[in-house]
Amino acid sequence: AQKVTQAQTEISVVEKEDVTLDCVYETRDTTYYLFWYKQPPSGELVFLIRRNSFDEQNEISGRYSWNFQKSTSSFNFTITASQVVDSAVYFCALSEGAGNTPLVFGKGTRLSVIA
Amino acid sequence: DTGVSQNPRHKITKRGQNVTFRCDPISEHNRLYWYRQTLGQGPEFLTYFQNEAQLEKSRLLSDRFSAERPKGSFSTLEIQRTEQGDSAMYLCASSLAGRGGYTFGSGTRLTVV
Repeated sequence: AQKVTQAQTEISVVEKEDVTLDCVYETRDTTYYLFWYKQPPSGELVFLIRRNSFDEQNEISGRYSWNFQKSTSSFNFTITASQVVDSAVYFCALSEGAGNTPLVFGKGTRLSVIA
Repeated sequence: DTGVSQNPRHKITKRGQNVTFRCDPISEHNRLYWYRQTLGQGPEFLTYFQNEAQLEKSRLLSDRFSAERPKGSFSTLEIQRTEQGDSAMYLCASSLAGRGGYTFGSGTRLTVV
């Protein structure tokens, strides 16, 4: 069965610090997709990244970067030079197969960035 | 297209009453998903559709819950005889099968008193 574990429940950092959010997943499929979403206090889920199981290249987008390692079943997310606006709950999610099957989410990590 | 729209944004109901939520997906998306999110938890899958066909229902979807997508466009989620444990945020998402990601609506927050 598929499962996503985000072991860090809450993280608090001071502005401009770097922070890494951990995500470990379980699946028996060889084809799957991994996602990160941001949920600010307003409640909507904001898409950050989608990565398929065949693409292990790390990705960087501005201050955000993602490290995908199939050997450890991890898909970690790093925010460089954190800002107060990064304060939110971040969810890692998994979709098995190639056809937009339902997402399975982790429990989320609440990030607080203090000025 | 303005994204996935959910109505109402908030609903307060008395225990035992029935409630219905509506989701309007992105127009070209053929898949529509319902999730429930309780405080401090990640969204949990309830059910999803491809066009008008309901493809899968979670064990979380008790007999009191029913979802429809009659013409393959908007969807409704009905909860009968609400219980306090039904209090949660109900999220809708849509996607195009086999392509791209999932777009989520802002959710309907249900409070059962």
